[in-house]
Amino acid sequence: SQTIHQWPATLVQPVGSPLSLECTVEGTSNPNLYWYRQAAGRGLQLLFYSVGIGQISSEVPQNLSASRPQDRQFILSSKKLLLSDSGFYLCAWTRAAQHTGELFFGEGSRLTVL
Amino acid sequence: GQNIDQPTEMTATEGAIVQINCTYQTSGFNGLFWYQQHAGEAPTFLSYNVLDGLEEKGRFSSFLSRSKGYSYLLLKELQMKDSASYLCALMDSNYQLIWGAGTKLIIKP
Repeated sequence: SQTIHQWPATLVQPVGSPLSLECTVEGTSNPNLYWYRQAAGRGLQLLFYSVGIGQISSEVPQNLSASRPQDRQFILSSKKLLLSDSGFYLCAWTRAAQHTGELFFGEGSRLTVL
Repeated sequence: GQNIDQPTEMTATEGAIVQINCTYQTSGFNGLFWYQQHAGEAPTFLSYNVLDGLEEKGRFSSFLSRSKGYSYLLLKELQMKDSASYLCALMDSNYQLIWGAGTKLIIKP
């Protein structure tokens, strides 16, 4: 069976510090991978998605970046965090070329920037 | 552009039935989805409608009317564990999901 894990689950970071969130998927190959952010009272915002190694599409210009160094690994990074980066970050995957919309989410990472 | 509207919060009684509505405007449509999200957890998939009509899955049903830009999620025989946020999302012409802000459902005994 397929599983997805992301970490860390929670973190508190000062403004201007770097960020690295990691996500891995097991039990499948060549998944589509996504990073979402969920702010209180707002819908999920797609940040990045990837259809293959080294292929990253950015949906929202900002101080975040994503990388996919391996088929089942997706990393969200920032060099300098802003207060507005606080939120609940979710990694997700779907099977390649699947258009039924069933996203499988990781456990989520709650980031507080102080 | 796309727009999705759903109520912010609803309250219902254990054992009762509740209907959560979702209206949308979009230029391209490839399906309408409902997800459940418990507080502090990730969303989980509930249903997918791409054609008009009702899809039933146990206590949960989802309805779609493409001509009206309207969907609803119907929850029957409510249980306390159904207290969660319910997210409506549409798949656009690029097969990307556009999410509503979610409806927080509170179940009272």
